[in-house]
Amino acid sequence: EADIYQTPRYLVIGTGKKITLECSQTMGHDKMYWYQQDPGMELHLIHYSYGVNSTEKGDLSSESTVSRIRTEHFPLTLESARPSHTSQYLCASSEQGPYNEQFFGPGTRLTVL
Amino acid sequence: AQSVTQPDIHITVSEGASLELRCNYSYGATPYLFWYVQSPGQGLQLLLKYFSGDTLVQGIKGFEAEFKRSQSSFNLRKPSVHWSDAAEYFCAVATKAAGNKLTFGGGTRVLVKP
Repeated sequence: EADIYQTPRYLVIGTGKKITLECSQTMGHDKMYWYQQDPGMELHLIHYSYGVNSTEKGDLSSESTVSRIRTEHFPLTLESARPSHTSQYLCASSEQGPYNEQFFGPGTRLTVL
Repeated sequence: AQSVTQPDIHITVSEGASLELRCNYSYGATPYLFWYVQSPGQGLQLLLKYFSGDTLVQGIKGFEAEFKRSQSSFNLRKPSVHWSDAAEYFCAVATKAAGNKLTFGGGTRVLVKP
């Protein structure tokens, strides 16, 4: 079944740790996105990719980094987690073309102590 | 730059009553318009979208939305709310000028009273 997956769903980690949030999609979409969402707030785009070896920063500045080595995989990494990184991170994907319907994963809720 | 405003942060509605959620956008041309729903602890699910043509759009779960160019609005409606409609609703826009990236409104939280 075509879908978009995120792991872990919940992560509690100490300050200074390196973390990687995984995102995979089985829909063959070229475009992938990472959003950050604080509780009760809107989504802010932090990274996007239009294909393999293509990554761009989004509208909201983030200390995280991303990579796109395979079409289906778009991991997000924080080299040194801080409490200010506590948030929900949502991954999405869409087809190429002007009609930008995005499909979202379930999200990763990150808490940095 | 494109922007989206959802004026209502919270709305409480009785089960069986009608629901209308407001969305206004700011952009010179007609953007692509979307409504997403987010249940607690979940990702976003697309309810409906408007690209062109008929300004009244039907979506899933009995929702519809009407695009009004003169008011720069894309309000979401449902004639009769069910308890399962309690969730956060986000309006979003995309434009070619912005590379078709989505810009989201602040969201409206809907509470359903029994």
